[in-house]
This record gives sequence, C-alpha cells and structure tokens, in this order.
Amino acid sequence: QKEVEQNSGPLSVPEGAIASLNCTYSDRGSQSFFWYRQYSGKSPELIMFIYSNGDKEDGRFTAQLNKASQYVSLLIRDSQPSDSATYLCAVNEDNFNKFYFGSGTKLNVKP
Amino acid sequence: SAVISQKPSRDICQRGTSLTIQCQVDSQVTMMFWYRQQPGQSLTLIATANQGSEATYESGFVIDKFPISRPNLTFSTLTVSNMSPEDSSIYLCSVDGQSEPFYGYTFGSGTRLTVV
Repeated sequence: QKEVEQNSGPLSVPEGAIASLNCTYSDRGSQSFFWYRQYSGKSPELIMFIYSNGDKEDGRFTAQLNKASQYVSLLIRDSQPSDSATYLCAVNEDNFNKFYFGSGTKLNVKP
Repeated sequence: SAVISQKPSRDICQRGTSLTIQCQVDSQVTMMFWYRQQPGQSLTLIATANQGSEATYESGFVIDKFPISRPNLTFSTLTVSNMSPEDSSIYLCSVDGQSEPFYGYTFGSGTRLTVV
C-alpha cells in the first residue's frame, strides 16, 4: 500500500491555541487529500478535503497542500477541548476509488 | 450524504469460527469499501466491492479469509473466516458520501471484533 506518514503524537496544545497537524505522502500521483477526525471508539468523520495547492479554509480549520513537497497539513485555530481526537490524513488515487490512511495524530487540547 | 447502517456493532467470537458483518446504505452506491483498524493503528483497506463482480483485494488480504458479497447497490457483507486472536480489530465499511460536489467518503459505525 502507498505510504502516508503522520506523527503519532500526542500533540498537546492549550485551549485557544493553533494546532498544526502534518502529513506526508509517497505517491506523487495522488490527487486528493482528506482529513478525518476520529474520537475514541467512534468511526472517522470527514473534516476537510483539498485538491489544489495552497490553502483551503472552513471555519476554524485550514487545510494546506504542497504537491511539490508531497505535504499536506491541517491547522485548527482557537482549539477547543472538544477537538481532542485522533486526526487521520487520507490520500487517494485520481480515480477516487481508494483511500490510504496515515496512522493518525492524537491531539489533546488542554482547558 | 449517504447513511450507513453497520451490524453487528461488536461481537466476541471463538477462534476458528466465522463472523459476517453487514453494511446497508440508504442510497445506491457503485463501490463499497471494507477497512480494518487494528488496536491503536490506522485504517487499512481490505477490499473494494462492486456490485455484480468479484471484490478486489489489497495486498495481504485474500478472498478465502475475507469473503465479500455485494448482491445489490445498497448492501454488502464481509465475512471474517476461521478467526484467530490476530483478527481482533474494528471493521468498517465505507462509501462515497453521495453529495454533489464530491465530498469524500462516509464510514459506517464499525464492528468491534474480539476473538478469544
């Protein structure tokens, strides 16, 4: 399977701070990139997706993509304790048929 | 977006037995995907299930161990056969979220399997 790398963490940030989550991928042909949030004991839920180089903002979340560096990140502004979860980076091929997931980064937001 | 009902939500099984997991989607979808998430690890794609054809398995997964059925566009099953403790995992099905524009894939609630 294709490689998607994430720092496992845990990443600890204080409430109100910016949390920065990073992901690198091995397949230069990857076309689309997704961030999922997974609470303990729950299934993953989609937060953001990005296809083009640059930034994409949605509320407190910003996804950043740099295809030349094979790097995608997720910024969470004004972090809240409810953001504490494992964040999974997912990459898929250009036919939208398969996702390859990173191992996830565990985020802890301290009140 | 598509809503997936997955069952059972959890089960404890004896080694050597088999368990069939069901996924029902509230809309017709072309492809369904089955994932495994072992304790503390990320999701690994087991296979892709198309209606009317054999499932396509990823490296390391074989049909004899994980037979899949896809009888119609809203339903699929995954069987974990001849189970061993190493099969203890969460198993998830996933489909295209069925939104326009495309907005990623939706997961079922998962089946937590413990093999003893």
